[in-house]
Amino acid sequence: DQQVKQNSPSLSVQEGRISILNCDYTNSMFDYFLWYKKYPAEGPTFLISISSIKDKNEDGRFTVFLNKSAKHLSLHIVPSQPGDSAVYFCAASIYGGSQGNLIFGKGTKLSVKP
Amino acid sequence: EAQVTQNPRYLITVTGKKLTVTCSQNMNHEYMSWYRQDPGLGLRQIYYSMNVEVTDKGDVPEGYKVSRKEKRNFPLILESPSPNQTSLYFCASSYLTGSSYNEQFFGPGTRLTVL
Repeated sequence: DQQVKQNSPSLSVQEGRISILNCDYTNSMFDYFLWYKKYPAEGPTFLISISSIKDKNEDGRFTVFLNKSAKHLSLHIVPSQPGDSAVYFCAASIYGGSQGNLIFGKGTKLSVKP
Repeated sequence: EAQVTQNPRYLITVTGKKLTVTCSQNMNHEYMSWYRQDPGLGLRQIYYSMNVEVTDKGDVPEGYKVSRKEKRNFPLILESPSPNQTSLYFCASSYLTGSSYNEQFFGPGTRLTVL
């Protein structure tokens, strides 16, 4: 059973607009959530994270929102830029990630059009 | 430069021919892990290691072996590869602390094709 779900395989937005990528999870033990970004022919790179004790974390153009009651998190990119075009993976961990393991979603391919 | 390296980056082989994909990190990380990425399935964990001589199965360990004899290296071994192991493989590493999340650093990936 998939514990971390990204139900949109792809998303297309216009440059300058907001991109919203969504992620749902089923395991209430998850207490740390992350977003990774992946360009073709490269490994995933860490983008932003949020602990379950918070409901929002911001880093420049990137903001992650967490709704624990709905078991839902989202990544907002404002304004979107063509260089943001990549696959975005949502990931979750237990015990704050202190045991290392991450559970990944299937990814959402974001295309930002000039 | 802090990095995770994988070799080879690309490999085409035939069914049953043993192969090893190497992974090395220079950040003195305790934790290392192997993932495979397949279309529509995202990243799935194969094996992980929390320190030297400590390894454990992930979600999809069948057909794979690993070893962790040194802290920096975590090779992935396919004793008898099959076509369903055709995939893109990533190695990752991170520190382990009890109090805070530790970012996982990923290697560039190894694209394996088994004919």
